[in-house]
Amino acid sequence: GQQVMQIPQYQHVQEGEDFTTYCNSSTTLSNIQWYKQRPGGHPVFLIQLVKSGEVKKQKRLTFQFGEAKKNSSLHITATQTTDVGTYFCAGYSGTYKYIFGTGTRLKVLA
Amino acid sequence: GAGVSQSPSNKVTEKGKDVELRCDPISGHTALYWYRQSLGQGLEFLIYFQGNSAPDKSGLPSDRFSAERTGGSVSTLTIQRTQQEDSAVYLCASSPTHTGELFFGEGSRLTVL
Repeated sequence: GQQVMQIPQYQHVQEGEDFTTYCNSSTTLSNIQWYKQRPGGHPVFLIQLVKSGEVKKQKRLTFQFGEAKKNSSLHITATQTTDVGTYFCAGYSGTYKYIFGTGTRLKVLA
Repeated sequence: GAGVSQSPSNKVTEKGKDVELRCDPISGHTALYWYRQSLGQGLEFLIYFQGNSAPDKSGLPSDRFSAERTGGSVSTLTIQRTQQEDSAVYLCASSPTHTGELFFGEGSRLTVL
């Protein structure tokens, strides 16, 4: 079945450094979403990408959808302590469900 | 309420007992999902509802798991004869459409002793 992998699994950065997480799907996706889960919390929607090669920005966050619609990335510029959490991608391939990636846990050291 | 509501927030049960977990989605959301998240792990898809019907039950781990949705609103996830490996946080999410943003509840943490 469809699988969505993310790398890295963990990332520790100094505050102010950049951070990137990569998401790869075993199948072509119709769209991809990104979520952030704070420690002890529930996933919160960040963004949805639909078009091949699409790039979207939200302040310090940049999201990209690959040309083949099988991979995506989230880049955070100049991390802050408020960025701490686990970032999940979730891919939709037209099978009524979003398959979540394995997640990247980000720790930001002040 | 304004968001997705789940109950109970915490449930401790003994192995072999049955449990029911409830999800009250955002009003008007036709799509409803159940996911399971074990400690420090990702989200495992369990079941999806569109209205009252479940076109995809492929994620239910075994026949001990069942779910229903009534009135296009509240959903109940039932686990019969619970096992220790069922211990996890069960997350419910709703969405206006089956391809839209998922709004998650706070989850029901199940501990099977």
